Formats: sequence, structure tokens, C-alpha cells
Amino acid sequence: SQQGEEDPQALSIQEGENATMNCSYKTSINNLQWYRQNSGRGLVHLILIRSNEREKHSGRLRVTLDTSKKSSSLLITASRAADTASYFCATDESGSRLTFGEGTQLTVNP
Amino acid sequence: DTAVSQTPKYLVTQMGNDKSIKCEQNLGHDTMYWYKQDSKKFLKIMFSYNNKELIINETVPNRFSPKSPDKAHLNLHINSLELGDSAVYFCASSQGVRNEQFFGPGTRLTVL
Repeated sequence: SQQGEEDPQALSIQEGENATMNCSYKTSINNLQWYRQNSGRGLVHLILIRSNEREKHSGRLRVTLDTSKKSSSLLITASRAADTASYFCATDESGSRLTFGEGTQLTVNP
Repeated sequence: DTAVSQTPKYLVTQMGNDKSIKCEQNLGHDTMYWYKQDSKKFLKIMFSYNNKELIINETVPNRFSPKSPDKAHLNLHINSLELGDSAVYFCASSQGVRNEQFFGPGTRLTVL
């Protein structure tokens, strides 16, 4: 199946709640990246975590990486309506390309 | 001050036509990409150029031909357009092949 699979496919929460999205992959990686895509726009890079890192923070974003389980999670705390978007994880296969997952559609209801 | 720009934003054309999409980046990056995003939002890499040299050429019909006149530009020419080519095409750039990528706004291609 697809490298970089996100789970869940869709998530609907209320403003102020936390949102957690997961990503699983199959092969060894050098880094894993998370991107956001607002409707009708290009992808925007959120955070990159290297294989020797376990956790990284950026503002309200927290990313964890468990290389033994080949999984990563993206946590958005205190969500806002403006966080509504699709979120993609991407892994580097052999350092030559990024392979994107199918994304999680997050809806934050005001 | 757009970092990665694409033209046109929308492209509506008939089957069998030939069309081009242009991409430019002003970030000084050495690597540029073309991706295709289908209606289910699945993003698939098509081509990648590093310092004007083709380094990734996925299983894409040879009707698609990328051209990189210099490091800042990567154009995509499509011959004999088919209905299945309808999608959103994204250009992206990065410094090196493993680092964060910067995406253009996309070109929505509709083939009638």
C-alpha cells in the first residue's frame, strides 16, 4: 500500500479542541515532513523531523516520530477555524524524492 | 514576491490539443518538481530537475515533456491532451532533494 498513509482520512472537531493526525510508512527514512493544503491552494510546508529526532514543536504544532513503529503524528493544539485544511505527511525514499500520503481532511467548526 | 509561480492558473482545452504550463521560482533553489494531484487529492510526482538535469522521471506518458531552460524555470508541455489529464498540476522547488519543498499555487487543467 501507499508510503506515508495518513489516518484518519477525515476529522471534524470544534474550535479549541486538539486535532491529532497519524502517518505510517513502510521503509527507512531520513526525514518526514508535514504539509498543509488549503482548498484550492498549493501545499505549505509545516515541519520537518529527522529520523534521529523524536519530537519537534512549532507554535501550536507538535510532531512526533517513532522510527521503530514507522509512524508519526501531528498534533494541532487549540484548533481554530483557519486550521481547516488537508494535511499530508511526506517521506523521503532513498533521498531522491518525497512520497506524499493521501492526506487527512481536517474540519474545525467554529 | 511570489516564491513559486505558475501560469496559467486555469486551463480549459479540448482533447487532442497541445498546451504548456510555466513555472518560475525566485528562491535560488537548485531542484524543481512537477506533481499531479487528482480529484481525490492524491499527489504524485511526475518529474524532478536538479541543476537543470532530469533526476526523476516517473511513469508518465511521453506526451508529457518537461523543459528546464535554467535553474529558476521548469515548464511542462503536454501533447495530444486526453480526458484523463484533467487534474491540478503543481510545481515545487527545494534546495537539495531532501529538504522542504515550496509549492506553486497550482494549475487546474480541464480537458473537454
